[in-house]
Formats: sequence, C-alpha cells, structure tokens
Amino acid sequence: QVVLTQSPSASASLGASVKLTCTLSSGHRSYTIAWHQQQPEKGPRYLMKVNSDGSNIKGDGIPDRFSGSSSGAERYLTISSLQSEDEADYYCQTWGTGYWVFGGGTKLTVL
Amino acid sequence: EVQLVESGGGLVQPGRSLRLSCAASGFTFDDYAMHWVRQSPGKGLEWVSGISWNGGSIAYADSVKGRFTISRDNAKNSLYLQMNSLRAEDTAFYYCAKDAGRGSGTYYNAASWGQGTLVTVSS
Repeated sequence: QVVLTQSPSASASLGASVKLTCTLSSGHRSYTIAWHQQQPEKGPRYLMKVNSDGSNIKGDGIPDRFSGSSSGAERYLTISSLQSEDEADYYCQTWGTGYWVFGGGTKLTVL
Repeated sequence: EVQLVESGGGLVQPGRSLRLSCAASGFTFDDYAMHWVRQSPGKGLEWVSGISWNGGSIAYADSVKGRFTISRDNAKNSLYLQMNSLRAEDTAFYYCAKDAGRGSGTYYNAASWGQGTLVTVSS
C-alpha cells in the first residue's frame, strides 16, 4: 500500500513563499497526488492535482499564488506571497482501486 | 456550485448505531463516486469508505470493515453511512467528499468536500 509522508509543520513570513513536500513511498514514485487545504474549524478544500511530470490542475477559484511541482518521489505545493488566511493544515492525497490515502498533514504557520 | 451537507452526527454510547447523511447539490450526483472521510479531534484525515456512481463497487478501510455500511440514493442525491457497533475511537468529524471520477475501477482525487458532522462515542 502506498504511504504519503509530510513534515508535521512549516512556517514562513507574511508575503514570503513556502514549499511544502509530500513524499511517496518506495515503488510508488509515478503516482499523481492531490493537495487539500484545511483552514481552522473548516472542512478541507481541494487545491490541485500534481502529476509525476510536475504538471498540475487546480481547482476552481484557486489563486495563482498556489502552484505544484514534482521531483522523483516528491510532490510539492508552493505558496507565494503568503497571506494570513494561508495559515492552515495542508494534506496530500493519492488513490487507487478501492482506496484513498492521505498524508499526515503539514501545519503551516504564517509569521 | 457544488454543495455537500452532512447531517446525523451526535453523541452516542459505545456499541450503539448512528446513520449519517450527505445531501448533494450543484452537480450530477449519479456521475460521480462518493466517499466518507473522518478526522479525529486534532488529528489528520482518514478515508473511511467509498462507493461508485451506481453503488456497484464499494470499499472500506480496515478500521470500519464489518461495522459500517455506505450507500447512496441517486434519486435523492444523497449519500449515507450506517455506523454500527460504535467505539470510542470512532469519535471524529465525518466529511462527505465527491470523487473526481465515477469510481468504476479506480477512484480519483477528492474534488469537493462538505463541512462535516461530529460523531462523539462516549458513555
């Protein structure tokens, strides 16, 4: 079964950029993943899908400040021009026949 | 605009049952697979169960297999989760989520989420 690994926390200053990482387990480096944002006390929101070649498809209304990329088994979410409302938990997700799998999430603090 | 509204959560004693519902609108419900995902307080997301567009393919996480039953009524644009033999570790927010595909064969990414309903299992 595929496993997704995320750092538990990250921080960056208001107006700066941050790059979050999701690592696919061995043997699964070709998998597509999705990124989801969960602001405090809210349900998750789909941000984008990131393919192994780095191409990505964003959800409706997701600002251009959010972008995705890939390198090997790693999938990235980059947020530029950080705003206070970007302070949230970010989860990566992958899928297959009969399952969804989520990473443990990264809590982003905007300083 | 896609809307998913969960209901049916509440406080229930260990060993008892509860049925969650999810009312869907803003998209063609019977074109998509649907899922339940839960989140224990302060923890991450855990997939619970998924059902294909026509109910013909169903899957469960090992943690709920044999206790929970997912179903859908396409005529009512509704998704359900029947939860039996509830345990304290089932305490969580339960989210309804729309798949990006039909779920015949593989699932795809979560494309839309509801706001969740809280289930608390305690005596």
